[in-house]
Amino acid sequence: GENVEQHPSTLSVQEGDSAVIKCTYSDSASNYFPWYKQELGKRPQLIIDIRSNVGEKKDQRIAVTLNKTAKHFSLHITETQPEDSAVYFCAASTSGSARQLTFGSGTQLTVLP
Amino acid sequence: NAGVTQTPKFQVLKTGQSMTLQCAQDMNHNSMYWYRQDPGMGLRLIYYSASEGTTDKGEVPNGYNVSRLNKREFSLRLESAAPSQTSVYFCASRIGGSSNYEQYFGPGTRLTVT
Repeated sequence: GENVEQHPSTLSVQEGDSAVIKCTYSDSASNYFPWYKQELGKRPQLIIDIRSNVGEKKDQRIAVTLNKTAKHFSLHITETQPEDSAVYFCAASTSGSARQLTFGSGTQLTVLP
Repeated sequence: NAGVTQTPKFQVLKTGQSMTLQCAQDMNHNSMYWYRQDPGMGLRLIYYSASEGTTDKGEVPNGYNVSRLNKREFSLRLESAAPSQTSVYFCASRIGGSSNYEQYFGPGTRLTVT
């Protein structure tokens, strides 16, 4: 089955700096890659996703890049703010009726004021 | 529109007890999922239901059973709880089909087995 590895497990940045979180996946058939943000005690919420026919996607301060050849994808957050502090999870999904997700182990991002 | 709801929010069980976690969605979604979240391990898929009337095992199904009662409801049952099942359980749903892949999560159930 699919295996998703996520790095780093913790990341601290100064407010206004950029943050980058990286994930690798093992199954070359995976074609959908979402990123979820989870605040303490809350449910995961989708912040951005990318499909395998696209190399990059951007939404305001958040961007995701995908390298299918190397089987890795990354989350980029620019101009970080204290409210960006949370745990971020990457995931990968293959085609199929249920599109089940395999998640990475998460990155605790702390934005220091 | 409540989205995905879960009951209970918190539960403490003794080893060997049984219980059912309830999940319901009001978004007319076809697919539903159960995950467990343990510290440092992300979310792991327990069972899923691609559509009403079907259920399949995920990555960590041992010790659990599920029922897709109807299109709205998907329950998770622990027949004989073990301390290793102490976790936060999330239910999620997805509309299905090839146009929208986003999964929407419920608020979670925090389960402690002593």
